[in-house]
Amino acid sequence: NAGVMQNPRHLVRRRGQEARLRCSPMKGHSHVYWYRQLPEEGLKFMVYLQKENIIDESGMPKERFSAEFPKEGPSILRIQQVVRGDSAAYFCASSPPAANVLTFGAGSRLTVL
Amino acid sequence: AQSVSQHNHHVILSEAASLELGCNYSYGGTVNLFWYVQYPGQHLQLLLKYFSGDPLVKGIKGFEAEFIKSKFSFNLRKPSVQWSDTAEYFCAVNGRGYQLTFGKGTKLSVIP
Repeated sequence: NAGVMQNPRHLVRRRGQEARLRCSPMKGHSHVYWYRQLPEEGLKFMVYLQKENIIDESGMPKERFSAEFPKEGPSILRIQQVVRGDSAAYFCASSPPAANVLTFGAGSRLTVL
Repeated sequence: AQSVSQHNHHVILSEAASLELGCNYSYGGTVNLFWYVQYPGQHLQLLLKYFSGDPLVKGIKGFEAEFIKSKFSFNLRKPSVQWSDTAEYFCAVNGRGYQLTFGKGTKLSVIP
């Protein structure tokens, strides 16, 4: 009964490279959410997706960030041309439809050198 | 806009001491309230939640929280902490379904 699986757990990138973070939701969950935790901050909502559909991306930075949740495979959060300020923990959560409780993964920690 | 304040950044307690972590929120409407915990190296897991009804909510591992609407508070308590409670604790609120607003977290260190 695997929970929400995120990988990689740790990722190091140099400025200007691309980062791809993956999230496999819990079995039976069709909704995925991404949150970001900057150092010394609380988790902040980024984006909410269903299969092949972005429902709410109001928390996503306008540039360089994108997310997808394809019909097959995990959800991917993609950060192009990373900068030092992108260093953070990125958490994925999933839920069944119309649920009020999210199940979180362990997070992916991105370090930009 | 919703916001959540957790008053303590880092709390250090000896085993068997009582714990209370403060959480205040601001939101004009009906809210759902949550406490999540993250043990070192592990995923965020739900400790307890409040949607409606009895404002004293019991969660896992002996934790409880009390919703006081007049104070916009949802403090987390445990009568006697153990070393295994060492973790980071996050208070969260949502008033709009999926968009949780989190506090900055409180690190709890329990000394054996």
